Amino acid sequence: GAVVSQHPSWVICKSGTSVKIECRSLDFQATTMFWYRQFPKQSLMLMATSNEGSKATYEQGVEKDKFLINHASLTLSTLTVTSAHPEDSSFYICSASAPDRNTEAFFGQGTRLTVV
Amino acid sequence: GQNIDQPTEMTATEGAIVQINCTYQTSGFNGLFWYQQHAGEAPTFLSYNVLDGLEEKGRFSSFLSRSKGYSYLLLKELQMKDSASYLCAAMDSNYQLIWGAGTKLIIKP
Repeated sequence: GAVVSQHPSWVICKSGTSVKIECRSLDFQATTMFWYRQFPKQSLMLMATSNEGSKATYEQGVEKDKFLINHASLTLSTLTVTSAHPEDSSFYICSASAPDRNTEAFFGQGTRLTVV
Repeated sequence: GQNIDQPTEMTATEGAIVQINCTYQTSGFNGLFWYQQHAGEAPTFLSYNVLDGLEEKGRFSSFLSRSKGYSYLLLKELQMKDSASYLCAAMDSNYQLIWGAGTKLIIKP
């Protein structure tokens, strides 16, 4: 099956700094990638939908100036958490649509972000 | 609005069978997905149903009734490693996944 690689797996940063998370589709071209956030014991919350070559579509309540998403190529999308605060500490997961959209979304491994 | 409902938590015994139900309401429908998620890990795909009926895949089976907006995941011969959260997600007309909150399955010896 298709593979999505997410990096880093975990990161600890100081409050006020920025962190970049990468999501790559390794063996298929992902025209659409999705970024999720998951707090402990809660389900996935869609943050934004990222389309290659265009601006991301953010879900209500997600600050687009704080969570910068770039989808410059068909195999790479990045999420940058700017001016991170402790409340941004969470598990961030990306996924990409399979070439045949009527099949499963393929998930990256997730990134555990801890802001201290 | 769009909504997915599934139980918050279930408990079952090793070797037994458990059925996790999911009801959904979406704008359009392009299939129902089940994912397994162990704590601290990303979800992994279990099944996809778009037509009514039962799909069997080893110890796991998934059922869909489009007219009722209902699906279930059936796990047989439960093993301790099946302890995880099981996420139900429906794909709407825009091919966006609408996620349930997940069902935490606890397996007891």
